[in-house]
Amino acid sequence: KNQVEQSPQSLIILEGKNCTLQCNYTVSPFSNLRWYKQDTGRGPVSLTIMTFSENTKSNGRYTATLDADTKQSSLHITASQLSDSASYICVAGANNLFFGTGTRLTVIP
Amino acid sequence: NAGVTQTPKFQVLKTGQSMTLQCAQDMNHNSMYWYRQDPGMGLRLIYYSASEGTTDKGEVPNGYNVSRLNKREFSLRLESAAPSQTSVYFCASSEAFNKGETQYFGPGTRLLVL
Repeated sequence: KNQVEQSPQSLIILEGKNCTLQCNYTVSPFSNLRWYKQDTGRGPVSLTIMTFSENTKSNGRYTATLDADTKQSSLHITASQLSDSASYICVAGANNLFFGTGTRLTVIP
Repeated sequence: NAGVTQTPKFQVLKTGQSMTLQCAQDMNHNSMYWYRQDPGMGLRLIYYSASEGTTDKGEVPNGYNVSRLNKREFSLRLESAAPSQTSVYFCASSEAFNKGETQYFGPGTRLLVL
């Protein structure tokens, strides 16, 4: 069964701190791993896309890693800001994409 | 440059009523998608159009129909709405069909079926 599992479900951090979100996937076929940011009441916005041969990709303060052997990915957020408060969704697949349920991040002052 | 737009933003239907959700993109993308998002579940693909003139079923197509009206527009129709179709519906587009291309999502349509 194709599955994308994210942890933690929710996270609260202080502004300025770093955090790391986890994603484990069992998806076949697999060719790419994506991270999206979804603000409350809005559509998802792409942060990074990695192919199976890539280990890391950055987008500003967001850095995603991928270990295709262990089928794990992480999203590291550096120097968090209040505007980082959102749900972060991991997506894995090839022609068919499978979405995780997201990690709800709250950044507090 | 509006990206992906969806109408309406909100809709309340009674069981058995029909409606069409509209989606348009101005990025000259070839592929378009309809997803639904339910609490505690990841987004699920309803239908997609890999290119103008083609449509295919996704993971959860039952109770829905789609039309790729032209390259810009992709509509989703509920012929006889059911409470189980209460959800948030997102339209998305990409330059090519799921070949590592970024998908751009619209703002969503919130549908409540009573």
